[in-house]
Amino acid sequence: NAGVTQTPKFQVLKTGQSMTLQCAQDMNHNSMYWYRQDPGMGLRLIYYSASEGTTDKGEVPNGYNVSRLNKREFSLRLESAAPSQTSVYFCASSENRGELLAIFYEQYFGPGTRLTVT
Amino acid sequence: AQSVTQLDSQVPVFEEAPVELRCNYSSSVSVYLFWYVQYPNQGLQLLLKYLSGSTLVKGINGFEAEFNKSQTSFHLRKPSVHISDTAEYFCAVSETTDSWGKLQFGAGTQVVVTP
Repeated sequence: NAGVTQTPKFQVLKTGQSMTLQCAQDMNHNSMYWYRQDPGMGLRLIYYSASEGTTDKGEVPNGYNVSRLNKREFSLRLESAAPSQTSVYFCASSENRGELLAIFYEQYFGPGTRLTVT
Repeated sequence: AQSVTQLDSQVPVFEEAPVELRCNYSSSVSVYLFWYVQYPNQGLQLLLKYLSGSTLVKGINGFEAEFNKSQTSFHLRKPSVHISDTAEYFCAVSETTDSWGKLQFGAGTQVVVTP
């Protein structure tokens, strides 16, 4: 039971290049999330997916696209990388099903992908 | 919209001394409150949470936090720290009306424990 896994662990891109960050979870969770972590700013939500086939924007979605390929996998794509996207990216998942009464479900985080754009 | 302010960006502390990390939040609706810990080069791990009930909550590794609604604070404490507590600590909130449990994080407090 690996929990939340992310690939790659590290990546260096040149400005304008594209890449996809992969995330998978084996906990049969419904919801998945992508965050970026920058010094002095904590984690900020980029996109989230409430279920297979649905995605919604978070706080900082510009410059990113996502795909919820199936229940296990949620990928984050940078179409044309910029230096401002240098960050550590975390994927998370939870059992959250979006009930009307907001019940707490813990989010479980992956180990992160450290991305540098030069 | 809600916001989270962690008042200290870095807290140096000696081993076996107490530590307090301060967190204040603002929100127009009621919130759930969390503290997460991030050890070097790792993902985040939930330390403790306040959902309702007793305002003093206990978490893993001897940490506890107290919810103060009038002061909109959720400060984290540990009476005696170990070297292994060196990590970054994040306060986070989630609105109770948010069905998808989205988290709003503070900027983080780096705790450095020295012998």
